[in-house]
Amino acid sequence: GDSVTQMEGPVTLSEEAFLTINCTYTATGYPSLFWYVQYPGEGLQLLLKATKADDKGSNKGFEATYRKETTSFHLEKGSVQVSDSAVYFCALGDRGSTLGRLYFGRGTQLTVWP
Amino acid sequence: EAQVTQNPRYLITVTGKKLTVTCSQNMNHEYMSWYRQDPGLGLRQIYYSMNVEVTDKGDVPEGYKVSRKEKRNFPLILESPSPNQTSLYFCASSFRGRMNTEAFFGQGTRLTVV
Repeated sequence: GDSVTQMEGPVTLSEEAFLTINCTYTATGYPSLFWYVQYPGEGLQLLLKATKADDKGSNKGFEATYRKETTSFHLEKGSVQVSDSAVYFCALGDRGSTLGRLYFGRGTQLTVWP
Repeated sequence: EAQVTQNPRYLITVTGKKLTVTCSQNMNHEYMSWYRQDPGLGLRQIYYSMNVEVTDKGDVPEGYKVSRKEKRNFPLILESPSPNQTSLYFCASSFRGRMNTEAFFGQGTRLTVV
């Protein structure tokens, strides 16, 4: 079945460092891919998404490219800030009969120090 | 404002005492679901609903019930809570049938069962 494997954390970086969080997926078709972010004490909110191969999603300086050949959707940011400290979830959108369902990775805790 | 509202935000209860966590959305979404979030396990789907009066089990349905009598509401019911149901719970909603649709999440309900 569909699944997402995400880099385990926690990840600790200094401000202005480069960030990569790896995400790979398994799916029977051509899913949509998402990154969600959870700030402390809050629910999840969509960070970026990509719906087909080679699409690049971007938001708030974060980017991720849908790579069908490597079944990956790695999250990157060139220069992280303290305010980026959060838990990041990679997710896959089902194309099957339960259209609307999301499959989540286990989440990666990011802490950025000043 | 588009939102998913969960109540309560925090709940401490005793083993066996029935409880209900409410979830309401104002976006006319067909698809609603409940997740639980546990450290190291990410988000796991408990139940989902594709429309009024249509519900189905997710990955971890044991010990939970749901109902969908109205499109906007999707309560989660724990008939006889046990300590292993101590967790952070999220309700989410989205349009069904759209591959690139964004899921909107509630703020979460932190449940402790003693």
